[in-house]
Amino acid sequence: AQSVTQLDSQVPVFEEAPVELRCNYSSSVSVYLFWYVQYPNQGLQLLLKYLSGSTLVESINGFEAEFNKSQTSFHLRKPSVHISDTAEYFCAVSEGDFNKFYFGSGTKLNVKP
Amino acid sequence: GAGVSQSPSNKVTEKGKDVELRCDPISGHTALYWYRQSLGQGLEFLIYFQGNSAPDKSGLPSDRFSAERTGGSVSTLTIQRTQQEDSAVYLCASSSPSLSYEQYFGPGTRLTVT
Repeated sequence: AQSVTQLDSQVPVFEEAPVELRCNYSSSVSVYLFWYVQYPNQGLQLLLKYLSGSTLVESINGFEAEFNKSQTSFHLRKPSVHISDTAEYFCAVSEGDFNKFYFGSGTKLNVKP
Repeated sequence: GAGVSQSPSNKVTEKGKDVELRCDPISGHTALYWYRQSLGQGLEFLIYFQGNSAPDKSGLPSDRFSAERTGGSVSTLTIQRTQQEDSAVYLCASSSPSLSYEQYFGPGTRLTVT
């Protein structure tokens, strides 16, 4: 079965600094990759996804993630974070049939002023 | 528009009692997922419904857990003879093939078994 690893449970960072949230998955079969975000006291919502095509995908609020098949990774990056980016971020993988999604344990991003 | 709704938002029950958790998906979404999120853990897949197809129950942790989806819309997750380890937030999400299976999550039901 697929497993998704988010090694960093918490990432503290100062405002305007760059950040990278790491995500690795176990299986090298064809996968679809997602990042979901959960802001304080809100439900999970999609941040960005990779289905096919360009391996670099972007969100509307400045995050980007790159699919690296050889390293089975889908790390999330932002060059300059804002206080409003404080949230928990979850990486998710589906093996192409969308029947099942495997989620990582989440990374809490805490942006400090 | 209306999102995914779940009820109740919080449920406290005694060990050994049965509980029912409800999910109202977004209208027109054919896919519905149930997840469990225990403290400090990621989302654990429980069950998946797609249209009229047989559900994928492979994530249900024991035979105390069951779920149904009536009329391709509302879903109920039932936990029989609850145990303390069942305490968690239960999340429901709905989606559709036309959305490339982007999942829309409900606010969750926080279940506490005492």
